[in-house]
Amino acid sequence: KQEVTQIPAALSVPEGENLVLNCSFTDSAIYNLQWFRQDPGKGLTSLLLIQSSQREQTSGRLNASLDKSSGRSTLYIAASQPGDSATYLCAVYGQNFVFGPGTRLSVLP
Amino acid sequence: EAGVAQSPRYKIIEKRQSVAFWCNPISGHATLYWYQQILGQGPKLLIQFQNNGVVDDSQLPKDRFSAERLKGVDSTLKIQPAKLEDSAVYLCASRLAGQETQYFGPGTRLLVL
Repeated sequence: KQEVTQIPAALSVPEGENLVLNCSFTDSAIYNLQWFRQDPGKGLTSLLLIQSSQREQTSGRLNASLDKSSGRSTLYIAASQPGDSATYLCAVYGQNFVFGPGTRLSVLP
Repeated sequence: EAGVAQSPRYKIIEKRQSVAFWCNPISGHATLYWYQQILGQGPKLLIQFQNNGVVDDSQLPKDRFSAERLKGVDSTLKIQPAKLEDSAVYLCASRLAGQETQYFGPGTRLLVL
């Protein structure tokens, strides 16, 4: 059974810092891994999708990497802004979709 | 384009009562998902539809939960009877055939007292 964990559970940083969020999964037989953002009271917004054959994906200030053999993915956020404050979840798609518990990020002005 | 619509946004009921949630996916999206998100956890897939057929309902508590998508468009998720542990946000998502990105609705927040 696939299990997904995320470290840290919560993170508070001053504006402008670069930061890394971590995601680990137990079963490497996946088709893809996605990173989502969730704002309070709202649904999830897809940020980046990495196919199992890819190593990384970039979108603006976001960069996600995937090491399928070690069961790890990282989301790198450059030059963080207060508007980046949200919960970030990773999800792996293998036999079905399995989400991690998320990392709650607060970027302080 | 319009996003995934869900209603109601909030619902408070007493245990043992029944409740139903409605989802209207993005037009043309054949795949529809229902997730349960308990506070502090990631969403858990309850059921996946492809058009009006069920693809995966392995994590749906079938003794109390049911879902349907009769015409391959809108979907309803029902809980009967509700338990305290059903308190959660119920998220609906849809996906276009051939693409892998899911689009989520705002969710229905359920509180069972």
